This record gives sequence, structure tokens and C-alpha cells, in this order.
Amino acid sequence: QLQLQESGPGLVKPSETLSLTCTVSGGPINRRSYYWGWIRQPPGKGLEWIGSIYYRGSTSYNPSLASRLTMSVDTSNDQFSLRLTSVTAADTAVYYCARHEALCTSSDCYGPGNWFDPWGQGLLVIVPS
Amino acid sequence: QSVLTQPPSVSAAPGQKVTISCSGSTSNIGTNHVAWYQQLPGTAPKLLIYDSDQRPSGIPDRFSGSKSGTSATLVITGLQTGDEADYYCGTAGVFGGGTRLTVL
Repeated sequence: QLQLQESGPGLVKPSETLSLTCTVSGGPINRRSYYWGWIRQPPGKGLEWIGSIYYRGSTSYNPSLASRLTMSVDTSNDQFSLRLTSVTAADTAVYYCARHEALCTSSDCYGPGNWFDPWGQGLLVIVPS
Repeated sequence: QSVLTQPPSVSAAPGQKVTISCSGSTSNIGTNHVAWYQQLPGTAPKLLIYDSDQRPSGIPDRFSGSKSGTSATLVITGLQTGDEADYYCGTAGVFGGGTRLTVL
């Protein structure tokens, strides 16, 4: 059974960089049919897709966060990571990692798709104002 | 405000049926499949429906989804108190604002 687990600091100072890692267990991260994504949820609010990465390193970012965002993947350890720079209180949220469907033809996969499953349990990151 | 529009709340009695709508545009729902997620209090979202009308293994057939044009719908029949949760639609990197289901 595939499981994902977020890790990283629960408190980040304003203007600093938020760095999170997601560890995948129960299956390899280098699966052709999937991207690996990050989604966040501010307290009491809805979901926001942050970005997704393919095991070969290609990325797709939310345009609203792209200028501050870098994602990376470590296939040897079945992990993928997020770095978000210049954080403010508006970045306070529960951060989830999840497996993200890939859109594929018979010969190649060309981008992230439409659903996320499964999700990690989530990690609350607070940026004080 | 979210890219996809959902009603903030719906309610119904146990055993009844409830419908949750999700409205988008040609750039999202109009050209992509839709997924639905259930988020129980204090937990991570769980995939209920993918590819607009498909249920993952283990999801009861009380949950069904459909899509027409730029809108999608989640229908839950035979409501149970355990269905009380927030429900989100999503597609192409965008989500709805969520709908809170109350089972009266």
C-alpha cells in the first residue's frame, strides 16, 4: 500500500525559505504513470495546488507561486521536495504531498493530470506575522 | 475565491440524497476530467471520484459523479452520519472552494 509522509519544520520565519520533503513508501517513485505533487490548505480554507514533479525531473508549478518555488526529486531515496522562498504569513497552511496522475500516450507521459491519490497526512507550517 | 465554484454548504437527512455542484469554464472542466475528494474533520482529503465518473477501489457506489460541459456533479445517496465532511472538486491544477455536508 502506497504511503506518503511529509517532513520539515513547523515554523518558518518571514522572508525565509520553507523546505519540505515527502517520503514515499510501499512503491517506487520512478513510476511512469505518475507525477508527485504538493497541495496546501490554509487553516479553515480550501485547497491550493502548489506544483508537481515527474521522476525524471520535469515540473509543473502553480503560476501564482512559480517565482518562489523549486521542486526536486530523489529517486534513490523515493523522496521529493519543495522549496518556497520569501515566505509570509499568507503561506501558513497545512502542506500535503500526494501522488498525481500523469497524462500519458502509449509512448510517453507529457504532464500532470487531474487527480491526486493517495495523500500524506499533512504538515502544518506556520509563518508568524 | 476559488477557480471552481461550489455551494458553501448542503444538508439532508440520513438516508436521503444530496447533490453537490461544481462549476468551471472551458479552460478547466470543459476540457478535463474532474475529481472529487472527501475531507473528514482533521484528516487529509481522500479521492472519491476520478475521471469525472469513476470510483477508486473501496469507494461505495453511494457516491457517483458526472460531468456536462463546464460543470460537474457529485451525488451521494443513502446518506449516513459518517458522510459529514467537506467535499472538494478539482481538475487541471485547480480546486473548488469546498462544500460542507451536514447530515441532519
